[in-house]
Amino acid sequence: DAKTTQPPSMDCAEGRAANLPCNHSTISGNEYVYWYRQIHSQGPQYIIHGLKNNETNEMASLIITEDRKSSTLILPHATLRDTAVYYCIVSDQGGKLIFGQGTELSVKP
Amino acid sequence: DAGVIQSPRHEVTEMGQEVTLRCKPISGHNSLFWYRQTMMRGLELLIYFNNNVPIDDSGMPEDRFSAKMPNASFSTLKIQPSEPRDSAVYFCASSSQGMVSDTQYFGPGTRLTVL
Repeated sequence: DAKTTQPPSMDCAEGRAANLPCNHSTISGNEYVYWYRQIHSQGPQYIIHGLKNNETNEMASLIITEDRKSSTLILPHATLRDTAVYYCIVSDQGGKLIFGQGTELSVKP
Repeated sequence: DAGVIQSPRHEVTEMGQEVTLRCKPISGHNSLFWYRQTMMRGLELLIYFNNNVPIDDSGMPEDRFSAKMPNASFSTLKIQPSEPRDSAVYFCASSSQGMVSDTQYFGPGTRLTVL
């Protein structure tokens, strides 16, 4: 079973920041937080991952709380092409990616 | 780079027939993953290989499913005999070092329909 809890759906206005929350209260010390997304009819796409520090790349930022029990994926300026299902996954380096139901993000004009 | 290549993209077959799905990972990647996605069960890991060796096949649903990786550039997932409940989108993914922390690159998927 997935170790994360995400809202099933969210809306975001185009051009605004999309903040996607994820709860992972049972995360252990060696487990990373990963985010992938799946645009309709395509294979999942890696976005970002982190252990305890906040991370940023060209796609998004990942904010992990100090107790590591939750995190937020931030898309700073959402576009219509960011409409997708976003998966938050917790796993250690030798483990498997277990995809939950994710959050369906709809970016609206 | 062409990315992960899967074939066929769509497959329609009748119950009882053998189905073979194919995957070519990204050149230089030494880990390969097979996933299945359905509306009911979401995205499930079936099996993964590291350096052509199956590491974990605990997700393979039953003996009708088998996967092979004869070399670093090719893998197959076979279903024999196929059943209507096998209808799903099957994804192949590859990564460079076999660690989950390495980015997994997914192919476009094969949509399988078993009538």
